[in-house]
Amino acid sequence: DSGVTQTPKHLITATGQRVTLRCSPRSGDLSVYWYQQSLDQGLQFLIQYYNGEERAKGNILERFSAQQFPDLHSELNLSSLELGDSALYFCASSGDPAGQSRNEQFFGPGTRLTVL
Amino acid sequence: LAKTTQPISMDSYEGQEVNITCSHNNIATNDYITWYQQFPSQGPRFIIQGYKTKVTNEVASLFIPADRKSSTLSLPRVSLSDTAVYYCLVGEYRGGGADGLTFGKGTHLIIQP
Repeated sequence: DSGVTQTPKHLITATGQRVTLRCSPRSGDLSVYWYQQSLDQGLQFLIQYYNGEERAKGNILERFSAQQFPDLHSELNLSSLELGDSALYFCASSGDPAGQSRNEQFFGPGTRLTVL
Repeated sequence: LAKTTQPISMDSYEGQEVNITCSHNNIATNDYITWYQQFPSQGPRFIIQGYKTKVTNEVASLFIPADRKSSTLSLPRVSLSDTAVYYCLVGEYRGGGADGLTFGKGTHLIIQP
């Protein structure tokens, strides 16, 4: 158990809909990362938040957005869903950079999104 | 980011030592080499990280030659539960915080009885 929790575990929805995925980082971790894993694209970095602020963007679509709240949990919002958005979405967290000795991220169990 | 190349798949038997090599010819001076393990339908898990020479922890060893253009993850005495995908990542560790990780295709390691 990494200490990172994600809800829901599974989500099935239709094209054109909007969903919200939730992530709670490990206690004390300030950074939250979102990744998408699909069969054809592999594991891709989407976006990173640090202590409530957006820090880095990866291959995140404009239809997707995220935020990190004062209690450090994060939400990933996916809108105008398409069939190709079906994937596993992982959240990861890491600690205070001042205290880090290596680039280690702790991944949650993921949310499996199926768009029909 | 330095591009990494690793075998698509490997197989071995229980009790054997398994070595997975990763090529990263364009590694930069500030880049570290990190390996993650992923089981089906689970998030990746950090295994080991190194900069040069040899690093060993309770689960694996990482060998990095002097030119740092490749690295080898060594798993001693594997068991069936080591069947997983192993990712080699190369990137700069910046003391200001960890960045988004760039995963390649990984190596599918299959351990047989």
